Amino acid sequence: DVKVTQSSRYLVKRTGEKVFLECVQDMDHENMFWYRQDPGLGLRLIYFSYDVKMKEKGDIPEGYSVSREKKERFSLILESASTNQTSMYLCASEKRSGANVLTFGAGSRLTVL
Amino acid sequence: EDKVVQSPLSLVVHEGDTVTLNCSYEVTNFRSLLWYKQEKKAPTFLFMLTSSGIEKKSGRLSSILDKKELFSILNITATQTGDSAVYLCAPQSSNGGATNKLIFGTGTLLAVQP
Repeated sequence: DVKVTQSSRYLVKRTGEKVFLECVQDMDHENMFWYRQDPGLGLRLIYFSYDVKMKEKGDIPEGYSVSREKKERFSLILESASTNQTSMYLCASEKRSGANVLTFGAGSRLTVL
Repeated sequence: EDKVVQSPLSLVVHEGDTVTLNCSYEVTNFRSLLWYKQEKKAPTFLFMLTSSGIEKKSGRLSSILDKKELFSILNITATQTGDSAVYLCAPQSSNGGATNKLIFGTGTLLAVQP
């Protein structure tokens, strides 16, 4: 069964802490994505990557960075967490078809106090 | 600015009912429209619609796209409690490159009561 695995389902952090959200896929997919999902706002794209060491900003990249050192792993980094980054974070991947048939991870719910 | 509106926001039905979920969109360089089902975790892919007027079916679920009027509907017949979920509509905008962009609606929350 193909999978996108997010390392943490629930995290609680304090304002100003550095936060790493890890995502690993075992499908040999080229493209990987980070979204956040908030009530009333839907899923919004933070960053995506279409190859190792490549990254592109999505719609809301401010306050975030990403790392793609290996094909299977895409990390989202909050350099200094703030309360407005409390959200559900979803990682997804797809084969380089551009069709956007994404496979999602189960999500990481981050609370910043 | 790209826009996706799903209606209704939420819906409560009884098992066996038929439901219709709506999605209207305004997206630059439209390429296709995808539907996802989200239970309490990862959204899962349902349909991708590229052409107008061609119904896609999977069991009790079906969907159709109207590219002239810029909307899509998702129908679920003979609903079951397992259909309870948030249904997400996501038109795809083409950037001509290796990746295209999905613009997600806020979803319709469907609750099916026994």
